[in-house]
Amino acid sequence: QVQLQESGPGLVKPSQTLSLTCSVSGGSVSSSSSFWSWIRQPAGKGLEWIGRINVSGSTKYNPSLRSRVTISVDTSKNQFSLKLTSVTAADTAVYYCARETRTAVIYDWGQGTLVTVSS
Amino acid sequence: SYVLTQPPSVSVAPGKTARITCGGNNIGSYSVHWYQQKPGQAPMLVIYYDSDRPSGIPERISGSHSGNTATLTISGVAAGDEAVYSCQVWDSSTDHVVFGGGTKLTVL
Repeated sequence: QVQLQESGPGLVKPSQTLSLTCSVSGGSVSSSSSFWSWIRQPAGKGLEWIGRINVSGSTKYNPSLRSRVTISVDTSKNQFSLKLTSVTAADTAVYYCARETRTAVIYDWGQGTLVTVSS
Repeated sequence: SYVLTQPPSVSVAPGKTARITCGGNNIGSYSVHWYQQKPGQAPMLVIYYDSDRPSGIPERISGSHSGNTATLTISGVAAGDEAVYSCQVWDSSTDHVVFGGGTKLTVL
């Protein structure tokens, strides 16, 4: 089973950029059968898919966030990352990194990290 | 964009059967996956491709499709089944993942 671990600042100021990294162990981000995703969940609300990337760097983003999101992959470190620009309080959430199959079955999840947007 | 609709809550007595629905336009043409999320934990896959179970998931948890509704069924419900259950599909036309809003299962 693949293990994923999110890391990054837990507090971000409004209008700044949220940056998170997901470290992968027990598997490789270079796997052609996997996609690497970010998903978030505001407190008391449902899951929201942010986007995904594969080993070749091909990305897909949620249309509601597309203009502010960048997901990248670093095969040398076996990591992938999320950047979300111009954040507001509405971006406060638990952020999960995850491993998807090609048909978007999400088998493996990180434990999640809370990011709060506040001055 | 594609929308999945779930009831906010379902309550069931211990030992009974809980049924959690997930509605979507022509959902029968999608593969539906279900996740269980307990407080303070990450979601966990419990059903994939409508009715398949990952290893370690008991047979009393099952999934089905009928018309415009997918259903997660949990038989012999116990206190340990209390959680939020979310359905999910992959919209292949847009290559986007879509989640339902989640249903909180309460064991009375």
